[in-house]
Amino acid sequence: DGGITQSPKYLFRKEGQNVTLSCEQNLNHDAMYWYRQDPGQGLRLIYYSQIVNDFQKGDIAEGYSVSREKKESFPLTVTSAQKNPTAFYLCASSIEGTGFEKLFFGSGTQLSVL
Amino acid sequence: GQQVMQIPQYQHVQEGEDFTTYCNSSTTLSNIQWYKQRPGGHPVFLIQLVKSGEVKKQKRLTFQFGEAKKNSSLHITATQTTDVGTYFCAGPDLEGGATNKLIFGTGTLLAVQP
Repeated sequence: DGGITQSPKYLFRKEGQNVTLSCEQNLNHDAMYWYRQDPGQGLRLIYYSQIVNDFQKGDIAEGYSVSREKKESFPLTVTSAQKNPTAFYLCASSIEGTGFEKLFFGSGTQLSVL
Repeated sequence: GQQVMQIPQYQHVQEGEDFTTYCNSSTTLSNIQWYKQRPGGHPVFLIQLVKSGEVKKQKRLTFQFGEAKKNSSLHITATQTTDVGTYFCAGPDLEGGATNKLIFGTGTLLAVQP
């Protein structure tokens, strides 16, 4: 099946710890995105990438880092600098990332702080 | 920066009643997309509107793009329990110049009582 796979489904972070959320797609899409969703709120863009080895900050990039070494993969690291990391994290992809294309979303990772 | 607001934030209806959510952008949009997120799920693309004044229908759902391309609406006729979820509108970030970024609205949560 083609799609986007996020793992893990649930993740717990201790104080001062960095954690990495995985996102893999087999849709052959060029563009990939990370969004953060807080309860009762919309989706806020963290980082996005239109091509391998290149990515741009979204609206709330502070405390997060990404890499795009392979077309299929766009992992997100939540660093200890992110003081309020508890949220639902959604990875998405689109064909080229032109703003005219629909996004395909993964099933999300719920991150909680211990 | 560019903002996309939706009203109402929450709507509770009896099954069979109609429902409408409104989306308003602070800037003109080149296109607008609508997504549905079921409780505990991830956003799924519903439709895209591109032309000024465009109206599209999907069974009981009617989508409209405003003449000025700054607002949009989603109307559901005779709601069913399967319509439960959060409806988001999204448009490209033209104000910020990064047209490949999609800015999501704040969402409207629809609850349907049988």
